[in-house]
Amino acid sequence: AQRVTQPEKLLSVFKGAPVELKCNYSYSGSPELFWYVQYSRQRLQLLLRHISRESIKGFTADLNKGETSFHLKKPFAQEEDSAMYYCALQQGGSEKLVFGKGTKLTVNP
Amino acid sequence: DGGITQSPKYLFRKEGQNVTLSCEQNLNHDAMYWYRQDPGQGLRLIYYSQIVNDFQKGDIAEGYSVSREKKESFPLTVTSAQKNPTAFYLCASRSVGGIPYGYTFGSGTRLTVV
Repeated sequence: AQRVTQPEKLLSVFKGAPVELKCNYSYSGSPELFWYVQYSRQRLQLLLRHISRESIKGFTADLNKGETSFHLKKPFAQEEDSAMYYCALQQGGSEKLVFGKGTKLTVNP
Repeated sequence: DGGITQSPKYLFRKEGQNVTLSCEQNLNHDAMYWYRQDPGQGLRLIYYSQIVNDFQKGDIAEGYSVSREKKESFPLTVTSAQKNPTAFYLCASRSVGGIPYGYTFGSGTRLTVV
């Protein structure tokens, strides 16, 4: 069964420090992977998807099939990055999106 | 203004009552989903629907029911059979086919059993 693991429930960094939110997945096929973000009192929204290979708000994520990981990185964290981050996997051909349990990122001034 | 609207924002249910959560979208999306969000549990899929008049169970469908009579609407009923219904419920939608775009989420309904 497909599974998404976010090993850190909480992550705290200082402003300007690099940040990495970890995501590992288990799925034997070719996954479609996403990062979603939920800022305080806002709705859950898509941050980025691996197929686009894009950088959004300074965040990037690279799919590493060998390590089955899709870690989210940003070189210099900002206070406004404080939020709940969810990694999600969609199995090819399936409509189901499986979420990790989330990591709460706090960026301290 | 396109998007997904969930109502009500807060809902209180007495033990033994059925309640229905509304989800409407004007994005012309084919697929719609219901997730349950609990602290420390992430999001868990309850039901989803890819086309009108068709829907599939997700991972935690017991105690819930849905209907999809219109493309725009996907209401969720929390029945009295759901043993622990107090949670935050999120509705989402997306287009089917083509490049896998992300889901669009509603703002959620917080259900509390009193």
